[in-house]
Amino acid sequence: DSGVTQTPKHLITATGQRVTLRCSPRSGDLSVYWYQQSLDQGLQFLIQYYNGEERAKGNILERFSAQQFPDLHSELNLSSLELGDSALYFCASSLGTSGANEQFFGPGTRLTVL
Amino acid sequence: GENVEQHPSTLSVQEGDSAVIKCTYSDSASNYFPWYKQELGKGPQLIIDIRSNVGEKKDQRIAVTLNKTAKHFSLHITETQPEDSAVYFCAASKGSNYQLIWGAGTKLIIKP
Repeated sequence: DSGVTQTPKHLITATGQRVTLRCSPRSGDLSVYWYQQSLDQGLQFLIQYYNGEERAKGNILERFSAQQFPDLHSELNLSSLELGDSALYFCASSLGTSGANEQFFGPGTRLTVL
Repeated sequence: GENVEQHPSTLSVQEGDSAVIKCTYSDSASNYFPWYKQELGKGPQLIIDIRSNVGEKKDQRIAVTLNKTAKHFSLHITETQPEDSAVYFCAASKGSNYQLIWGAGTKLIIKP
């Protein structure tokens, strides 16, 4: 158990809809990262937050947005969903902002868009 | 920007044999190189890492080697076991204030 929690575990929705994925980081970690992993694909970095502020952006679509709240939990909002958005979404946390900090991954949320 | 290439994409080895996965990076300023293991249905987990001031690091059956001149690093797993079956990701970073850049992953299959 990494100490990172993600909800929900599974999400099935229709095209055009909007969903929110939630992540609680490990106790003491200030950074939260979001990744997308499609079937047989690698990890695509979406976005990073550190202590409530956006720190880095990766290949995140304009239809997607995220935020980190004062209690450090984070939410990833996906809107106008398309079939191609079906994937595993992972949240990870780390102590600081350095790329040399170990990232602890949650169990993921599997999103299916029908 | 930094780019990390990982090979092979799939590796199948007989149980008990060794497995080697190789990554190359483009930015010579990179100084931190972790390896993550992703078991089926789980998130990736750090299994070993190496920093640029070290050429090799071992932890039981796994080892990582780094060649800074050639800008490549490799994961070595000896005496492979069924529980080694997973997807392995390499990554590279320049450290503070820089992101971790991930390789595409290698699916390791251990044949009984």
